[in-house]
Amino acid sequence: QVQLKESGPGLVQPSQTLSLTCTVSGFSLTSNSVHWVRQPPGKGLEWVGAIWSGGSTDYNSALKSRLSISRDTSKSQVFLKMNSLQTEDTAIYFCTRSLGNWGQGVMVTVSS
Amino acid sequence: DVVMTQTPVSLSVSLGGQTSISCRSSQSLVHSDGNTYLYWYLQKPGQSPQLLIYKVSNRFSGVPDRFSGSGSGTDFTLKISRVEPEDLGVYYCYQGTHYPFTFGSGTKLEIK
Repeated sequence: QVQLKESGPGLVQPSQTLSLTCTVSGFSLTSNSVHWVRQPPGKGLEWVGAIWSGGSTDYNSALKSRLSISRDTSKSQVFLKMNSLQTEDTAIYFCTRSLGNWGQGVMVTVSS
Repeated sequence: DVVMTQTPVSLSVSLGGQTSISCRSSQSLVHSDGNTYLYWYLQKPGQSPQLLIYKVSNRFSGVPDRFSGSGSGTDFTLKISRVEPEDLGVYYCYQGTHYPFTFGSGTKLEIK
């Protein structure tokens, strides 16, 4: 059974770094891509970036300078790091296996 | 960035009725590999998005045949027949052909 679960701090201060973890089960990271998608409260969906089965990454160009996605295949985990957070980064962050199966999402609020 | 324009913004459908949602892209979504990476999602209230259709017309696992996708190039349609109460929510189209991948702004479906 494919499962993904996001975890991380619910509150981050402006200008600080966000670190999120996506823990997966039921599939291999070396055979599937994992994407991050975010959704500001009451708004639509925005593709953040992806790590592909071979380990290469692609990022939304609007976020690229602040974003890093990596993984630990031995732990079945994918990591998102985003620095210089601003209030507009407040959103639910989802991880998804190849845009098919999705986690429940984690709400991140950027506020002092 | 590829702009995905969804219409209508909202619609109200009677139970058992039929409806369709349009999604138009600002560029052709035919990839150099020959595939068209156009997906449809439903986000029910308080839930993560769920994949309905991938690569224009393929139903994801467990999706009833009441949902069908069609289209090509820049013009795509999601049709929902025999509408049921659980179909309410926001429908999004998504393109995974051109970086950065992008979503439409959503179509809210209400049940009359």
